[in-house]
Amino acid sequence: KQEVTQIPAALSVPEGENLVLNCSFTDSAIYNLQWFRQDPGKGLTSLLLIQSSQREQTSGRLNASLDKSSGRSTLYIAASQPGDSATYLCAVRPGGSYIPTFGRGTSLIVHP
Amino acid sequence: DGGITQSPKYLFRKEGQNVTLSCEQNLNHDAMYWYRQDPGQGLRLIYYSQIVNDFQKGDIAEGYSVSREKKESFPLTVTSAQKNPTAFYLCAITRQGKHFGDGTRLSIL
Repeated sequence: KQEVTQIPAALSVPEGENLVLNCSFTDSAIYNLQWFRQDPGKGLTSLLLIQSSQREQTSGRLNASLDKSSGRSTLYIAASQPGDSATYLCAVRPGGSYIPTFGRGTSLIVHP
Repeated sequence: DGGITQSPKYLFRKEGQNVTLSCEQNLNHDAMYWYRQDPGQGLRLIYYSQIVNDFQKGDIAEGYSVSREKKESFPLTVTSAQKNPTAFYLCAITRQGKHFGDGTRLSIL
């Protein structure tokens, strides 16, 4: 059974720092990996989707990488801003299934 | 997310009562999903439906029921058999990955 772990569970950084959020998974036979942002009391907003054949995806200040062989993905946030404060979740979809497994998320606070 | 509407935003359940959460989508997608989110936990799948008039149990289906009579609608009923219903409920579709509604927060009166 796929297990998805996100470290750290919580992170507090000053504005302007570059930071890395980690997502690890136990079964490398994945179809894709997706990063989400969740604001308090809101649904999940898709940030980046990486297919199993890809190594990375970029959107603005966000860059997500995928290393299937080591079971890891990282979400890099450049020049963090207070508006980046949210919980970030990763979800791993296995090959042959539409049902992803979600990590518990990293709660990020960027203070001015 | 645009195109996925959940209502109500907040819902309160009395002891022994069934309540129904609404999820509507105008994206013409076949597959729809219901997840439950508890504080500090990942999302857990309750039910999903790949086509109209068909649905499958997820990991925590006990105490819940669904129907899929129309492509655009996938309501979730939290029955009185669900003894710990307080949670945040999220509806999703699959379109180049998962996309979610804004959620319904259910509490006990």
